[in-house]
Order: sequence, then C-alpha cells, then structure tokens
Amino acid sequence: RKEVEQDPGPFNVPEGATVAFNCTYSNSASQSFFWYRQDCRKEPKLLMSVYSSGNEDGRFTAQLNRASQYISLLIRDSKLSDSATYLCAVNRRGSQGNLIFGKGTKLSVKP
Amino acid sequence: DGGITQSPKYLFRKEGQNVTLSCEQNLNHDAMYWYRQDPGQGLRLIYYSQIVNDFQKGDIAEGYSVSREKKESFPLTVTSAQKNPTAFYLCASSSARDRRQETQYFGPGTRLLVL
Repeated sequence: RKEVEQDPGPFNVPEGATVAFNCTYSNSASQSFFWYRQDCRKEPKLLMSVYSSGNEDGRFTAQLNRASQYISLLIRDSKLSDSATYLCAVNRRGSQGNLIFGKGTKLSVKP
Repeated sequence: DGGITQSPKYLFRKEGQNVTLSCEQNLNHDAMYWYRQDPGQGLRLIYYSQIVNDFQKGDIAEGYSVSREKKESFPLTVTSAQKNPTAFYLCASSSARDRRQETQYFGPGTRLLVL
C-alpha cells in the first residue's frame, strides 16, 4: 500500500455541485493531516488542516477517519474558481516535521 | 510582507553545469524543505533542514546539495550528477512554534529546464 494515495480524477462537476475527495494513508501513527490546493503551474497553498474532530471553513469541510485511515475533503456549492488540484499531506513516519504528499486530485468545475 | 521567495522563476541549465536555486524566508521558521514536482506527479522530498547548520537527505537527494548557514536561507544546488533535472522545484518552510507545527508553506517555485 502506498503511503498516501489519492484518486487522480479528474472530477468534472457543474457549478453548485457538492464534491468529495478521499485520501488514504498507510501509517496508523500519523498525527498531522492537511489539504492543499494547487493551481496550474503554481505552488501548493494550504487549504486547511484536518483535526480529529473534523473542521469546516465556509464551503469546505475536512474530516479524519482513523479507523479506515483516510481523510476527506467536501466542497459544497462548487464555484468555477474551485477548479484546481487538491493535494493531501500526512506527516511522515518517525520524522517530525516531514510530510508526505499525495499526487493530487484534479477538480474541474464547469458552468 | 512575510513570506517565502524563490529565485529565479525560470532557470536554464546546460549539460555538465551546476546551478543553484535560491530560497529565502522571513517567517522566522526553523525548518525548510526542498521538493521536486514532475508533471502529473506529487511532491518528492529532496532535502530538509530542521535547524541552522544541519540538514538531512530526503527521498531523492542524489545529484543535489544544500546548505543552511542562515535561518532565513536554504539554497539548493542541482549538480551535473543529476541526469534528469527538468522539473518544478518548490521550497517550503514550517515553524516548530506553530501549534500545527508540521504545516508547511511554499514559495512560488523555480522551473528548471535543461538546454
């Protein structure tokens, strides 16, 4: 099993749709989880951290499922501007401060 | 403005040439990282540094070298030993004092092309 896995997509959705991505991880001892957004030819930008209790920021909700070892990102009321690649990141086994990134899930929101 | 800067934005390398990519941060972050991203691929860790004058190899360190003489700066040298250097290079930093201490923030990146 790869350390961090994401469905590469693309997810093609209409404006206003709700879309969800999952990211599975292999290290059951992982403590830190993040979602980043990366626009084409740009750097990744932190979207949100993922806490055990889940967290919400406007239209975005992130959740952690430790039992099944995955994190999820839910986007409600999709906007054209949400089109991007979404990367998940998980802290690396035995190495504080290091993250392992998934390859990303591409989202395309259509009018 | 606080942030991470990388230069140059584009860099061209000739065969057999060493090139150095600059990364500077004024966020007072302790840790700095270098990643490589190839098209359609995730980020792969090249080197990282948790403290000044110390750094560790990441997953793909061969053909690269770094230094960390100052807290603010973490330059990456792509040596002639790196046979396939064409990629998007991203520098990141994180703070041990941040409650979410592993949160990494990225610079705008440098695109390296081989002539």
